[in-house]
Amino acid sequence: RKEVEQDPGPFNVPEGATVAFNCTYSNSASQSFFWYRQDCRKEPKLLMSVYSSGNEDGRFTAQLNRASQYISLLIRDSKLSDSATYLCVVRGFSGTYKYIFGTGTRLKVLA
Amino acid sequence: GAVVSQHPSWVICKSGTSVKIECRSLDFQATTMFWYRQFPKQSLMLMATSNEGSKATYEQGVEKDKFLINHASLTLSTLTVTSAHPEDSSFYICSASSRSRASGGATDTQYFGPGTRLTVL
Repeated sequence: RKEVEQDPGPFNVPEGATVAFNCTYSNSASQSFFWYRQDCRKEPKLLMSVYSSGNEDGRFTAQLNRASQYISLLIRDSKLSDSATYLCVVRGFSGTYKYIFGTGTRLKVLA
Repeated sequence: GAVVSQHPSWVICKSGTSVKIECRSLDFQATTMFWYRQFPKQSLMLMATSNEGSKATYEQGVEKDKFLINHASLTLSTLTVTSAHPEDSSFYICSASSRSRASGGATDTQYFGPGTRLTVL
């Protein structure tokens, strides 16, 4: 089982739609959680950190469920510019701090 | 956010040569830098963790003699791919860790360089 699992997609949605991604992680000792966005042939860019209390940044809402070991990202009112791959990232400690990346979920927002 | 630069952005070299990639944190001090490799349509795979002034910690399966990492200062880490072969062709990305305070306590956030696309002929 992979340490961080995501549905690779692609998710094809029309402009204005609401779309949600989930990510599961296997290490219950994981400490920090993030969503990154990666455009084709570019480096990942931090979208938002994910906190136990949940957090919102404009059209983006992230949730963490420690009991079920999953993280979610909700995008409301999708824009064409939201088309990208969304990476779920989990940070934990196993001798040293490590960041484990999911394979990413591809989102295509269609006009 | 914090800025991390990487140089070169792309390189094409002959098999058997060595390639050096630099990673710099431009506006903050990074005690820890990470080197990743990403093959097409795959996720980022951590190669090694680099701490300033000490030896890098390599992930299982990554040859330390082939991928030489030097972290000489708080703003610079280098990765040298020695005797590169076509199978080393990949997208190499560095990141630097910046500690910040956030809801629930201190968290480390990674900021990525723009990546180096290596093609070995």
